[in-house]
Parts: sequence; C-alpha cells; structure tokens
Amino acid sequence: QQQVKQSPQSLIVQKGGISIINCAYENTAFDYFPWYQQFPGKGPALLIAIRPDVSEKKEGRFTISFNKSAKQFSLHIMDSQPGDSATYFCAATVAGGTSYGKLTFGQGTILTVHP
Amino acid sequence: ETGVTQSPTHLIKTRGQQVTLRCSSQSGHNTVSWYQQALGQGPQFIFQYYREEENGRGNFPPRFSGLQFPNYSSELNVNALELDDSALYLCASSLGGGVVAEAFFGQGTRLTVV
Repeated sequence: QQQVKQSPQSLIVQKGGISIINCAYENTAFDYFPWYQQFPGKGPALLIAIRPDVSEKKEGRFTISFNKSAKQFSLHIMDSQPGDSATYFCAATVAGGTSYGKLTFGQGTILTVHP
Repeated sequence: ETGVTQSPTHLIKTRGQQVTLRCSSQSGHNTVSWYQQALGQGPQFIFQYYREEENGRGNFPPRFSGLQFPNYSSELNVNALELDDSALYLCASSLGGGVVAEAFFGQGTRLTVV
C-alpha cells in the first residue's frame, strides 16, 4: 500500500537527449509527488514537485507528467547534460503540515549522460 | 548546500554496539525526519520529530530511537547494532505547519557495522 515503484533502475542517455524516468504508486491518499536528485556523497536535493490537481509541471529542462487515474508520474529531462548524471528518486507523501517530511521513496534511477 | 548538517560523516561500529548520530536542522525549521538509505536503494523513513515529540514512525524496530532538542536539532540512536544496519543515514528538516513544503536533506552519515 505504501510502495512507490520506480523504473528503470539505470539509464544511459547521450548529451542533448531526453531522459525519462517513471514511477507508480499504490496509496491513493498520496497527493504530493517530489523528485529528488542525489549526487555521490551528498544528500538528496529537491528537483521539482507536483500536486495531482495538474497533469504537468515544467521547470526549465525538467518536466513532471502526472496521470492520476493510472497512479503514475514521470520525470522528463530535456536536453540532458553530463552534469545531470546522478541518481534520481521519485517520492510521494500526503501533503500538509509535517507530512512533507514523511516521504515514501522509489528505488532510484542511476542516470548517466554521455558527452 | 542546505543548512542541514549531520555528524559524524562516517563511522565504523562493531555488531552489538550502540551508536548516536546527530543532525542540526536548517534555521527556522521545527521538524526533523530520519531516513535509512541502504546501498543502491531509496531512503526509507525511520521516524520524525516535531517540536520535540515523535510524530510518526516507519517500519523500524524499537532499537531505533531518537530525540529532538529545544533548538530542534536531533539525535538518532541505534542499539544492538546488526550488520544490516550498515547504511547511509539521512536527516531532513522542514517547517511543520508552514507553507513551504520542501524537506531539506543533510549530506548523511555513512555507518558501517562490522
């Protein structure tokens, strides 16, 4: 009930290409879906987040697409750059109050962008 | 860089020992959440402290315990260490009740149990 499933486990993209990472959740109470980026030796950093009242959110080269009926959401990285090489995690929680700190994470996707 | 700091950055403990990890939350944040990140996995929620009280717990045994202090810094204690406790331990601070949703993570403490 609490799982968030993420795919693929790893992804290799050429510079300038589009990186796509997918997540699916089970708990219909979840209503806040952030994506985190983690570099080696660092903690996760928030990249972009979406609430289910919209189907898409774009910030620069990063876009979240959200499908509430399918309980799926995905991260698209346009014009991927070598500096984007990192581990990406989707997460989910119930929005509000202290709940933003109680995140259920996916298993992570290791993205490698070749120059 | 976030304003969340964790100490120590690395440590090695022997099975059966006890360990205390520390986290200083970002200025103005009153909520600290702790996570365990095993190698190659996503972080798993251990528990959260809000205004010095435990405010939710994940699927971790009671030998994982914590504290939050009046300045909102926090400690994670693990008793009777097991080999499977080897992981990166992350704390995240946030403003409970605030309008800003983001939880800011520290760089983590890498615990190795031998």
